Amino acid sequence: TQLLEQSPQFLSIQEGENLTVYCNSSSVFSSLQWYRQEPGEGPVLLVTVVTGGEVKKLKRLTFQFGDARKDSSLHITAAQPGDTGLYLCAGRRTGKLIFGQGTTLQVKP
Amino acid sequence: DTEVTQTPKHLVMGMTNKKSLKCEQHMGHRAMYWYKQKAKKPPELMFVYSYEKLSINESVPSRFSPECPNSSLLNLHLHALQPEDSALYLCASSQGGGRERLMNTEAFFGQGTRLTVV
Repeated sequence: TQLLEQSPQFLSIQEGENLTVYCNSSSVFSSLQWYRQEPGEGPVLLVTVVTGGEVKKLKRLTFQFGDARKDSSLHITAAQPGDTGLYLCAGRRTGKLIFGQGTTLQVKP
Repeated sequence: DTEVTQTPKHLVMGMTNKKSLKCEQHMGHRAMYWYKQKAKKPPELMFVYSYEKLSINESVPSRFSPECPNSSLLNLHLHALQPEDSALYLCASSQGGGRERLMNTEAFFGQGTRLTVV
């Protein structure tokens, strides 16, 4: 059983479209992190959300932490080919950083 | 400096070889991690070191042997690997070391070592 469920797992869109990636759990997390990973590289931390209901913006990326701190979402506005990559949500559980299954995003020019 | 450096970037080894992966960070982080990642899958935790002591071993086979010589360095010694061990091996670090302190801390990853076992 996956503690963090990400959806969708694969997404292929045209440049300029908007998209939302979801990260859901039945458990409460004190914080959740979002990473982006390009092929052959390590994950790069995008943001950490800590407070229930929190919204953080990073240029065209908007991150939200659910009020109950069980879920989070990542919304990308006007996607660009440079946004292509694997998006991972992660949370801590008993000292371990665990990941969702990941969302592979392909943005076509 | 938020960099975690891993060497080598690529490694090809035979099933009878012994090799080591190296990881270094100079952020003063006291927790360091090894992850294994297969293509299009999320990273899977292998080991956690906290204050240079092994605190978590996720039932990893003994052909993988971690070592933490000091607070900045983390090694992964490899011996008698199998072809299915081929993967991207990622090192990460984060602040703190106690279980509670880790709860909200961010992990920083290296670029990984692409390992191929032939």
